[in-house]
Amino acid sequence: ELKVEQNPLFLSMQEGKNYTIYCNYSTTSDRLYWYRQDPGKSLESLFVLLSNGAVKQEGRLMASLDTKARLSTLHITAAVHDLSATYFCAVDRDGNQFYFGTGTSLTVIP
Amino acid sequence: DAMVIQNPRYQVTQFGKPVTLSCSQTLNHNVMYWYQQKSSQAPKLLFHYYDKDFNNEADTPDNFQSRRPNTSFCFLDIRSPGLGDTAMYLCATRGVGGNTIYFGEGSWLTVV
Repeated sequence: ELKVEQNPLFLSMQEGKNYTIYCNYSTTSDRLYWYRQDPGKSLESLFVLLSNGAVKQEGRLMASLDTKARLSTLHITAAVHDLSATYFCAVDRDGNQFYFGTGTSLTVIP
Repeated sequence: DAMVIQNPRYQVTQFGKPVTLSCSQTLNHNVMYWYQQKSSQAPKLLFHYYDKDFNNEADTPDNFQSRRPNTSFCFLDIRSPGLGDTAMYLCATRGVGGNTIYFGEGSWLTVV
């Protein structure tokens, strides 16, 4: 059974602080995705990581992938309120099946 | 312009009354997915199509069926909705070997 687990599930952080969300997965996969979801909305693509060691950055978010450890991280730098949302990682298995992690609900407090 | 369009966006149906959700895409993608997302949960893959090849997840209830009459359209049929089927249903598409997955805006289904 494929498992994609994130931690923490809930994260409350102050503005200006840094934090990391972790995504562990149980299958062999070279592709890892990060999405953002606002309440009542669909999914917004943040990053696609395509190989071991891949690192991508956009604004205050940076994602990395270690395929050997089956681990991806989403690092938040100097958080701002606008980053409050739920973040999902997702794993591609065999190029067609696509499974989401458990999600991390982030609240940034002024 | 939206590339993956889901209809209806909001649907209220009675317990046991069949409902159909539709998804259309302008991307000519081979792969289409249906996900169910309940409140405060992660999206759960129900099934996917690779062209006409249908792939059902092992734990998808028999109550959920799907049709793909052509490349552009895909339907999710819920034959006898239960209260536990209240959720947002997401459609997504992907080209063969593509790295980007495109999601629709979702269809909110409430079963009363």
